[in-house]
Order: sequence, then structure tokens, then C-alpha cells
Amino acid sequence: DIVMTQTPLSSPVTLGQPASISCRSSQSLVHSDGNTYLSWLQQRPGQPPRLLIYKISNRFSGVPDRFSGSGAGTDFTLKISRVEAEDVGVYYCMQATQFRYTFGQGTKLEIK
Amino acid sequence: EVQLVESGGGLVKPGRSLRLSCTASGFTFGDYAMSWFRQAPGKGLEWVGFIRSKAYGGTTEYAASVKGRFTISRDDSKSIAYLQMNSLKTEDTAVYYCTRGPSSSSSFDYWGQGTLVTVSS
Repeated sequence: DIVMTQTPLSSPVTLGQPASISCRSSQSLVHSDGNTYLSWLQQRPGQPPRLLIYKISNRFSGVPDRFSGSGAGTDFTLKISRVEAEDVGVYYCMQATQFRYTFGQGTKLEIK
Repeated sequence: EVQLVESGGGLVKPGRSLRLSCTASGFTFGDYAMSWFRQAPGKGLEWVGFIRSKAYGGTTEYAASVKGRFTISRDDSKSIAYLQMNSLKTEDTAVYYCTRGPSSSSSFDYWGQGTLVTVSS
């Protein structure tokens, strides 16, 4: 299985400041079809996960444009340009390039 | 509006069985693959498995941890996906989420609220 490693595991951020989360995979996530199936999900406290970003950098419907994804191959990043109070929660990267689909450990975003 | 509602969770003894249901609305259910994920208390997310749409054979894929014990099925006439869980172990204790997907972008775009399964004697 592909191992997904996120850093940091905890990120205290000041409101209005940027935040960045890294995700590294144990092998390339480039699929044989040429696509890279790396997604980012947000899980607010007490809520189910919510899709933010798919295929590295595509924002899902309704996701604010302060969220952006980037990367290639084995290294990926989720950035929040200006953190708001509603962004508190745990963020997961997930690969769907290879069975079996796997997640990073999660990064807890909290407000300083 | 896409909605997914899981049901069927509860307390069950090790070795017993349980069937979860995921009732979908707001989209053409038969056109989509449907998946199950789980999250043990205080832990991260784990993919359990999925079932393809009938157009892609309605076949299934499973995580190694549940293969041979869990079975995913679907009833397109009722817009329901099922997760049949047999030979349950204490380590299967988790909130189980139903999702739509994987889509053509291999994403899981809508998630249910989840249902808690507790395996304990």
C-alpha cells in the first residue's frame, strides 16, 4: 500500500494568516492514465469529512478560493491563504491512484 | 441536493454480523459508484471498499482488513447501498461513512453523517 505522510500533524495559526500542510507519498501518484489522484479533505469537529480539492489542485464546488492545492509526483501541498475561524478541524490528504486507497494521518488546524 | 443517510449501526458482539444501509437522494444513484469508509474513535480515516455502477459491471473492491468478511451491494431501484459485515472484530469499531464515488476524477464528493458500529462483548 502507498503510505501517505503529512506534516505538520498540528498547526496553530493566527486568524487571517496563511497556513500550509504538506503531504508526501511513498511512491509516485501518477496513474497510468496520466492523472494524479490526490485529494484533500477537511473534517470539522463533530462533522463528517468534506471534499476540498481533487486531482491535486481542483477545488470542489462551494469550496472558498482561499484553499488551493499544488504539487506533483510524491509531494503535495494544501494552502489556506487567510485562515478563518471556520477552517478549524483536521485535514487529510488521500490517494486514489492505487488500490488500496490510503490517507495521511491528518493535520489538526487550530487557532492560536 | 445530494444526501446520503447511513443507518443500521449499533452495538454488536464479536463474531456477529451487522448490515449497514446508505440511502441516497438528489442524484441518479445508478450512475455512480458508492463507497464506504470508516473512522475508529479518535483515529484517522480508512477506506473500506466500493461498488461500481452497473455500467461498469457492479463489481467491488475491498481493503485487505475487511476482504472476505465485508460485502458491499446495491439496490438501484431503491437508491440504497449496503455494507454487510460478518465475523466482526473489536477493531471494526468505528463510525462508518457512505460516500458517492469514486467519480471519474477518483474523488469522493459527498459524504453521509456516518453511523457508529461498536463491537464489544
